[in-house]
Amino acid sequence: AQSVTQLGSHVSVSEGALVLLRCNYSSSVPPYLFWYVQYPNQGLQLLLKYTTGATLVKGINGFEAEFKKSETSFHLTKPSAHMSDAAEYFCAVSGPFGNEKLTFGTGTRLTIIP
Amino acid sequence: GAVVSQHPSWVICKSGTSVKIECRSLDFQATTMFWYRQFPKQSLMLMATSNEGSKATYEQGVEKDKFLINHASLTLSTLTVTSAHPEDSSFYICSATQRVRGPGANVLTFGAGSRLTVL
Repeated sequence: AQSVTQLGSHVSVSEGALVLLRCNYSSSVPPYLFWYVQYPNQGLQLLLKYTTGATLVKGINGFEAEFKKSETSFHLTKPSAHMSDAAEYFCAVSGPFGNEKLTFGTGTRLTIIP
Repeated sequence: GAVVSQHPSWVICKSGTSVKIECRSLDFQATTMFWYRQFPKQSLMLMATSNEGSKATYEQGVEKDKFLINHASLTLSTLTVTSAHPEDSSFYICSATQRVRGPGANVLTFGAGSRLTVL
């Protein structure tokens, strides 16, 4: 069984400040981990993914995440927030083949303060 | 890149009627499609997994007769909400992927979602 916990349903940061969205996972098999972004009334867009290999993963729009097995975490960061980053962010986990169904976290709504 | 088209994006219907939502993979063959339901300000809940040419696998608690899923071709899956009621109002999102042998993260491509409002 797999599960994802996103700490903080709402996060607010000032424009230009560091963005940190937290994600912890539980998995009985080596996990594949994903971060998705959702804008209002739209589907999900993949930001980045971790499969194997390098634990620091870089994604689109300046986001990156680090897989820490010892902490079972996959936190999402961005050095400098932009107004366009305001959206809902979902962390997700799947099994080692990656094409299996995703288990999503409850999401974190990111608000950018001008 | 891979594109998944979902139609309609918005639909309003009267209680008791049926509504069909289409999910198409435009530039790849989707051996597997997933249907999710998202309540306001909540996460995505997987409803069912459909593989081309076979019956869909529904998650626990999802009514098979209520939410009919058909995956007749490698590029099209449909979700039909039968005898819709106001509590079926929600945002429905499909995703599609190609199945390959062996490990490797196939990225799910998501449709833009369909918002259903049942009056």
